[in-house]
Amino acid sequence: RKEVEQDPGPFNVPEGATVAFNCTYSNSASQSFFWYRQDCRKEPKLLMSVYSSGNEDGRFTAQLNRASQYISLLIRDSKLSDSATYLCVVNVERGNQFYFGTGTSLTVIP
Amino acid sequence: NAGVTQTPKFQVLKTGQSMTLQCAQDMNHNSMYWYRQDPGMGLRLIYYSASEGTTDKGEVPNGYNVSRLNKREFSLRLESAAPSQTSVYFCASSEAPLGYNEQFFGPGTRLTVL
Repeated sequence: RKEVEQDPGPFNVPEGATVAFNCTYSNSASQSFFWYRQDCRKEPKLLMSVYSSGNEDGRFTAQLNRASQYISLLIRDSKLSDSATYLCVVNVERGNQFYFGTGTSLTVIP
Repeated sequence: NAGVTQTPKFQVLKTGQSMTLQCAQDMNHNSMYWYRQDPGMGLRLIYYSASEGTTDKGEVPNGYNVSRLNKREFSLRLESAAPSQTSVYFCASSEAPLGYNEQFFGPGTRLTVL
């Protein structure tokens, strides 16, 4: 079973739409959680960390549900520039490793 | 600051050839990582170095070796390349290995093994 699973999409949404991605993780000992953004043929870059209480950064909101072992990312008022692949990342203390999901592809359409 | 740099950007090898991928960071980070990214598989950790002088295996270490040359540099070596090692390789660094530490990635090396 994969450590981290994401719906690969693709999600095609119009500008201004709200879109949500979910990601599930298998290890209940997971300690820290992140969303990264990866543009086509580029390196991943941190979008936001995910805290237990949930956190918001402008149009982006991240939530963590430890009981159900999933994290979510909500993007409001989508912009063309939001088109990218969004990677869910989980850190497990065992082995000091970060586990990446396969990514969810988002295309925002004019 | 250049951040994380990787060389080369592209490489084509024949089966059985060897090569070393170079990575350097100028952010004074303690931890460095090597990942490979394949379609449908996500990024998978090959090796990491929590601090200068230490290295540990990640999820997919077979066929690779690493050297943490100093705090700045972390190289990945393929001793005898195989077609299954065709992939995009990313180096990353972070201030510390655990907790809410952002990983900064290099631009990647696109490797094809024929």
